[in-house]
Amino acid sequence: LAKTTQPISMDSYEGQEVNITCSHNNIATNDYITWYQQFPSQGPRFIIQGYKTKVTNEVASLFIPADRKSSTLSLPRVSLSDTAVYYCPLSNNFNKFYFGSGTKLNVKP
Amino acid sequence: DAGVIQSPRHEVTEMGQEVTLRCKPISGHNSLFWYRQTMMRGLELLIYFNNNVPIDDSGMPEDRFSAKMPNASFSTLKIQPSEPRDSAVYFCASTTSANEQFFGPGTRLTVL
Repeated sequence: LAKTTQPISMDSYEGQEVNITCSHNNIATNDYITWYQQFPSQGPRFIIQGYKTKVTNEVASLFIPADRKSSTLSLPRVSLSDTAVYYCPLSNNFNKFYFGSGTKLNVKP
Repeated sequence: DAGVIQSPRHEVTEMGQEVTLRCKPISGHNSLFWYRQTMMRGLELLIYFNNNVPIDDSGMPEDRFSAKMPNASFSTLKIQPSEPRDSAVYFCASTTSANEQFFGPGTRLTVL
């Protein structure tokens, strides 16, 4: 299963748009790109998933270029409650996920 | 649905003791995963089951770790004997597809 690389941490301010990138150079044809959010003392929670191009839901957008070797999670107008760790595991038909250490997003007032 | 249920939420034990962590997946979910999370290694997949059958246990650190899923509504992760380096938060997750895993609240294990 291909591993992913993310920045260790990011800082932002309330009301800003935040873009978190994830590199997955060895992504396989049948891998999906999934993003999870984790708050302290809780398990990760699903945010969004995509295979290619752009996916949008009520909380985020996911941008995936044609080569699929990277992806970008976009959080519009973040608030203090968006402070969390964000993961971008890849998954395939066998449901395996590689989470890694994630990106710690710190939203400041 | 109550979501994925894990017990205990916290466990403190002494080195050499047996530890058993328990998980009840969401009803109807046919895949179950055990993860371990530490500051140093992040979130690691230990083992996963599909329809109660272990599919891949390549993430299990060593023979001291074992996992079972006797039925669709229950799974255990056992460490025997436990060591201080096993201290971590252990998560159980379940799903019906390759899309979204639902995680439990975790068990924080401390081995003294």
